[in-house]
Amino acid sequence: DAGITQSPRHKVTETGTPVTLRCHQTENHRYMYWYRQDPGHGLRLIHYSYGVKDTDKGEVSDGYSVSRSKTEDFLLTLESATSSQTSVYFCAIRATANTEAFFGQGTRLTVV
Amino acid sequence: SQQGEEDPQALSIQEGENATMNCSYKTSINNLQWYRQNSGRGLVHLILIRSNEREKHSGRLRVTLDTSKKSSSLLITASRAADTASYFCKNSGGSNYKLTFGKGTLLTVNP
Repeated sequence: DAGITQSPRHKVTETGTPVTLRCHQTENHRYMYWYRQDPGHGLRLIHYSYGVKDTDKGEVSDGYSVSRSKTEDFLLTLESATSSQTSVYFCAIRATANTEAFFGQGTRLTVV
Repeated sequence: SQQGEEDPQALSIQEGENATMNCSYKTSINNLQWYRQNSGRGLVHLILIRSNEREKHSGRLRVTLDTSKKSSSLLITASRAADTASYFCKNSGGSNYKLTFGKGTLLTVNP
């Protein structure tokens, strides 16, 4: 299995609080991605990174920010969590733009 | 669009039958990849077929690629209940960094 770990795996937080999800990889892959998955919507890309300090927005980036200060870690931050951000979040990595992707186990976030 | 589109959206079969899913895409490709997602889990890469290949096998999986029609198909032979999952295709090519997916095909294999 590819070395990719998401933390935490489960989190319950209150509306208005900041939340940070971490994606950690040991593969030294250049590309990292954050998705959310909700019933009826499939996987939606939030943000992605194509190198250290190089990030860009995906389809549903509003309310989310990311940071990548080193190759192995890609952080997703919800500055002020809302109930609409209750979802399952997945991280993915890949070595190049043409190679296969590897996904983390997911983080189930509940905002109450 | 940089993502593949899977068809049908849902497929229900009996154990032991074959399952065929199709993928269409719009751009030129370097390769096409198929993934499986079991409920609540992350996607798992199944097989990659390069643009100069027409057919590829891996165990009970058979993938075909027709670049002239910009389409691919995934055949799962002798299906099992454990094959119940959503299946996604992903076309890769050029320098597009984004990694987006369609809605997938939900395969249900009934015991």
